[in-house]
Amino acid sequence: GDSVTQMEGPVTLSEEAFLTINCTYTATGYPSLFWYVQYPGEGLQLLLKATKADDKGSNKGFEATYRKETTSFHLEKGSVQVSDSAVYFCASYSGSARQLTFGSGTQLTVLP
Amino acid sequence: DAGVIQSPRHEVTEMGQEVTLRCKPISGHNSLFWYRQTMMRGLELLIYFNNNVPIDDSGMPEDRFSAKMPNASFSTLKIQPSEPRDSAVYFCASSLTSGSSTDTQYFGPGTRLTVL
Repeated sequence: GDSVTQMEGPVTLSEEAFLTINCTYTATGYPSLFWYVQYPGEGLQLLLKATKADDKGSNKGFEATYRKETTSFHLEKGSVQVSDSAVYFCASYSGSARQLTFGSGTQLTVLP
Repeated sequence: DAGVIQSPRHEVTEMGQEVTLRCKPISGHNSLFWYRQTMMRGLELLIYFNNNVPIDDSGMPEDRFSAKMPNASFSTLKIQPSEPRDSAVYFCASSLTSGSSTDTQYFGPGTRLTVL
């Protein structure tokens, strides 16, 4: 079945640092890929998505590029802010699974 | 739009009691999903409905769990009897359609369940 592996947390950065959270997937066919963010005490919110190879999803300064050759969808941000502190989930959706498959989540803490 | 609405936000109950969690999806959305989130197991899909019909309930842990969607604007997840290991945050999500890989799922704020 489908699976998503993302880097272990927690990740702690200083404000304005560069962020990378790695994500790789295993799926049949060509899944769509998503990053969701969960702020404390809230539900998950879609951050960005990409539906085919080489697509780049972007939102709020975050970016991720769908890399079919490496089956990856790494999340990046050039300069993080304290308000970016949250848990980030990578997810895939394929026609065979017909459901979102989530990674384990990565806790990000940004210090002022 | 109000987004996905869940109630209650917090529930504390004693082992053996019946627990009912409620969800109102976004108006016009045809698919509804119930997830459970725990530290140990992360996010797990329990069941999802399309046009009020349960499509896949393979994630429902056991017979103590049941879910219904009597109409397009309401769903319940019931646990009877509840056990301490059911303690988790339960999320409801909805999407416009099912079967489309581009659809976004919109999550509710969750219900934090504690079973003593």
